[in-house]
Amino acid sequence: DADVTQTPRNRITKTGKRIMLECSQTKGHDRMYWYRQDPGLGLRLIYYSFDVKDINKGEISDGYSVSRQAQAKFSLSLESAIPNQTALYFCATSDPGGGTIYFGEGSWLTVV
Amino acid sequence: GESVGLHLPTLSVQEGDNSIINCAYSNSASDYFIWYKQESGKGPQFIIDIRSNMDKRQGQRVTVLLNKTVKHLSLQIAATQPGDSAVYFCADYSGTYKYIFGTGTRLKVLA
Repeated sequence: DADVTQTPRNRITKTGKRIMLECSQTKGHDRMYWYRQDPGLGLRLIYYSFDVKDINKGEISDGYSVSRQAQAKFSLSLESAIPNQTALYFCATSDPGGGTIYFGEGSWLTVV
Repeated sequence: GESVGLHLPTLSVQEGDNSIINCAYSNSASDYFIWYKQESGKGPQFIIDIRSNMDKRQGQRVTVLLNKTVKHLSLQIAATQPGDSAVYFCADYSGTYKYIFGTGTRLKVLA
């Protein structure tokens, strides 16, 4: 079983719809992240969380929100999806103080 | 600004040859570096890492070299195999939460 699990793996949604991407991890890490990957660009940070009560915006948080339901669960929401949010989204987790960051398998989101 | 970049977008290598993938970083405060492999439709997989107090680290068929003087990182893959075909990218970490990821180099292994 994967250490970082994302659902759904693929989703097509319409402009203006709300969509939630869910993530759970079994590594026992406190730190969790949501990244977006677009062709030709490196991974860009949307939100990160150091623990259940600590949630922070990343470099591209506009149009997104997150919820840290538990140490192992971190979900990403698009309140009103728009086409330029079409991308591959990754959830990740890492040890405190940095160190290796582990990624999920990704969620392909297409907004039409 | 801070950036991690790759010199070549695509690298084609004959099966059995060695591959070298390069990466430049700009933040002199970065103290931890990671190489990832990403296959089509999959998430990035950790390959090897190195801390700034080291110049070289070896794994199974992979070696990472770090040159802090010129802020350069390289990944060497020995005896490249078809299964090595993927996008490889580097990342650097400079504390708190910030990982900076490169855009990636596509490695193509020719039979």
